[in-house]
Amino acid sequence: DVVMTQSPLSLPVILGQPASVSCRSGQSLLYSDGNTFLHWFHQRPGQSPRRLIYKVSGREPGVPDRFSGSGSGTDFTLRISRVEAEDVGIYYCMQGTHWPYTFGQGTKLEI
Amino acid sequence: EIQLVESGGGLVQPGGSLRLSCTASGFTFNMFWMTWLRQLPDKGLQWVANIGPDGSGMNYVDSAKGRFTISRDNARNSVYLQMDSLTAEDTGIYYCARRNDFWGLGTLVTVSS
Repeated sequence: DVVMTQSPLSLPVILGQPASVSCRSGQSLLYSDGNTFLHWFHQRPGQSPRRLIYKVSGREPGVPDRFSGSGSGTDFTLRISRVEAEDVGIYYCMQGTHWPYTFGQGTKLEI
Repeated sequence: EIQLVESGGGLVQPGGSLRLSCTASGFTFNMFWMTWLRQLPDKGLQWVANIGPDGSGMNYVDSAKGRFTISRDNARNSVYLQMDSLTAEDTGIYYCARRNDFWGLGTLVTVSS
């Protein structure tokens, strides 16, 4: 299975300041069709995960533009330009290139 | 509005069985892969199985092979997960998802004597 390693696992932030989460995969996530199936999810306490970013950098409808994703191959980053109170929770990266699809351990963002 | 509503979770003894159900609305169900995932207390998020739009393609993670069976009924906009030979390691919240982009609220499965 492809191991997804996130860092940091805990991310204390200040409101209005930027934040970033790193995700590294054990092998390249570039699929044969040219797509890279690396997605980012946000899970608030007591809620189910919500996909924020798909295929590295695509933002889901309704996701604020302060969220952005970047990267290629095995190294990926989720950035929040200015953290807001509603951003608390756990952020997960997920690879959908190699079966079984796998998640990172999660990064807990705290204000 | 897309909705996915899971049901069927509960407390079951080790070695027992449960059948989870998920009813979808708000999208054309028979055009999408459907997925079961789970969130385990010490192991985070895991894929369990997925099934193709017409039910002809299915994939399972190793821990589910031979014990779990995913199925769907497109006439009822529903997807199911039959879980047999359950162990304590299967305890967690089980989510139904449309591919991986939209998830239900989950149903809790507890395997304990």
